[in-house]
Amino acid sequence: GAVVSQHPSRVICKSGTSVKIECRSLDFQATTMFWYRQFPKQSLMLMATSNEGSKATYEQGVEKDKFLINHASLTLSTLTVTSAHPEDSSFYICSARVWGRASTDTQYFGPGTRLTVL
Amino acid sequence: EDQVTQSPEALRLQEGESSSLNCSYTVSGLRGLFWYRQDPGKGPEFLFTLYSAGEEKEKERLKATLTKKESFLHITAPKPEDSATYLCAARVDSGSARQLTFGSGTQLTVLP
Repeated sequence: GAVVSQHPSRVICKSGTSVKIECRSLDFQATTMFWYRQFPKQSLMLMATSNEGSKATYEQGVEKDKFLINHASLTLSTLTVTSAHPEDSSFYICSARVWGRASTDTQYFGPGTRLTVL
Repeated sequence: EDQVTQSPEALRLQEGESSSLNCSYTVSGLRGLFWYRQDPGKGPEFLFTLYSAGEEKEKERLKATLTKKESFLHITAPKPEDSATYLCAARVDSGSARQLTFGSGTQLTVLP
């Protein structure tokens, strides 16, 4: 299967600082990547859809000025949590879309980034 | 509103005790039902995609099936290493987005 990496895997920061998370497709090009957020013992919540070369599409309730997404190349999307606060502490996971035969597609996920804001 | 519901929330099995996980969905225009496995502190790992009612797919001790209203993930003679949270997700075409709607998962524990 396709491999997606995320960096860093864990980050601890002080309230008010900004944190950048990178998502890379290692062995394929991804025109579309997705960013999810997951709280303990809960399922994945889609935050935004990131398309290479264009603005991200944010889900309802997600602040685009707080969660900045940049998809500058076919293998890299970044999520920047600006002026992070303790309530932003969560597990952030990205995925990349891989196209198969007959217009089928599958999302392959990265290993996730655990953000803790003190 | 598109909805995906998984049951049970948690399941404890003895090693070798076969069982099934359920994923029921109410979506308008299903374009794929996905199963993922997620280990604690890690991202979901892709298992299967099912596209039409009656379709079945197998991988080692796992078999996924699909009907018009639900999908089952059958686990035959599970081993402790099968312990994980199993997520299902429905894909509904919404323009070009083709997003996934996830269920809340079934946490499976297989005891030795």
